[in-house]
Amino acid sequence: EIVMTQSPATLSVSPGERATLSCRASQSVSSNLAWYQQKPGQAPRLLIYGASTRATGIPARFSGSGSGTEFTLTISSLQSEDFAVYYCQQYNNWPPLTFGPGTKVDIK
Amino acid sequence: EVQLAESGGGLVQPGGSLRLSCAASGFTFSSYSMNWVRQAPGKGLEWLSYISVTGDTIYYADSVKGRFTISRDNAKNSLYLQMNSLRDEDTAVYYCARDRGYSTYWGQGTLVTVSS
Repeated sequence: EIVMTQSPATLSVSPGERATLSCRASQSVSSNLAWYQQKPGQAPRLLIYGASTRATGIPARFSGSGSGTEFTLTISSLQSEDFAVYYCQQYNNWPPLTFGPGTKVDIK
Repeated sequence: EVQLAESGGGLVQPGGSLRLSCAASGFTFSSYSMNWVRQAPGKGLEWLSYISVTGDTIYYADSVKGRFTISRDNAKNSLYLQMNSLRDEDTAVYYCARDRGYSTYWGQGTLVTVSS
């Protein structure tokens, strides 16, 4: 099973600032990595797939990069609606599909 | 508009059973693989099960293998999760999610509480 880790667990950012979230896989997942955003009481929302492709309707301030075992989600200028929990997920080697533990982005 | 609507959650005693349903609309259900994913209170996301478009390929997480059964009825645009021998640790919000690999669409979830 591929284990996903994310850092930091919590990221405190001021609106308008840049946020950089990290995700690491225990073995290579190539570019088969997705990022999701989840707000309290809501279902996860797909942001990025293929490590760097934005899903339909996702603003350009969200960008993904990386391959192999190291990945990054960058939010270029945080808006109020971006404060949420972000999960990475690998789909290269499954079952099982595995998620990281999440990074909470909160207001500084 | 793609919509996924879970139902069937509720309070059940340890050792009991529940059957969750996921009603799909806004897309050709029979053309898409489906998954069940859960989230325990205050915790992260846990993938549980996958079913292919025809149901001939099914996978389970080790945590539910032998206790949960995924199925689908393409004529009814519905996905199911039969959950038996429920444990306290199965308490969670259960989501159905569309697509193989990464999930583009998710339902709003149904809460399952296992408690005596």
